[in-house]
Amino acid sequence: GAVVSQHPSWVICKSGTSVKIECRSLDFQATTMFWYRQFPKQSLMLMATSNEGSKATYEQGVEKDKFLINHASLTLSTLTVTSAHPEDSSFYICSATIIGQAYQPQHFGDGTRLSIL
Amino acid sequence: KQEVTQIPAALSVPEGENLVLNCSFTDSAIYNLQWFRQDPGKGLTSLLLIQSSQREQTSGRLNASLDKSSGRSTLYIAASQPGDSATYLCAVTQGGSEKLVFGKGTKLTVNP
Repeated sequence: GAVVSQHPSWVICKSGTSVKIECRSLDFQATTMFWYRQFPKQSLMLMATSNEGSKATYEQGVEKDKFLINHASLTLSTLTVTSAHPEDSSFYICSATIIGQAYQPQHFGDGTRLSIL
Repeated sequence: KQEVTQIPAALSVPEGENLVLNCSFTDSAIYNLQWFRQDPGKGLTSLLLIQSSQREQTSGRLNASLDKSSGRSTLYIAASQPGDSATYLCAVTQGGSEKLVFGKGTKLTVNP
């Protein structure tokens, strides 16, 4: 149980395009979804926290106009990297917590490898 | 600002060895601590979660301890197997927040 699905798993695109990444909780409703970015040999860095029906809370240094987060339902959150550039190339991972279970393990997706040419 | 450090950054051992991975954190006011496993190019799998009031948690060949006052945790892996090869990440949650602060991980290689 508690499966989080991320799509796509890998995307390569040209500089200047926008890329949307989906994060779905398949068998549970998620109170909160989190978006992380991981550069090679670095730790996961939290980008933003999103709750269904409200605006995402971005971490310091993360451009909210660059990384658009939509959390339209209790099972789906999307991250759109707008006008992506090579420096946005990274591994993006989402996670979700089960509704009604605060401070319990976050359940992670398998990540999306984004490569901007 | 909470900082999490993991030592060593990489570890290579022969199959069958018992090993210890270390994690330290600068702010002892944590709510819980988690150990995760990450395979190359993949997401995270939660291994063990220790609440701040607990001293240790065990799951199979894994045992995690927590010394909150000294800001340290260890992950003990018994009788290591090649399938244990992965990067192991430690992360803490501060009280009042669900945000996870991660270390950079320890890359473990278990050689047959």
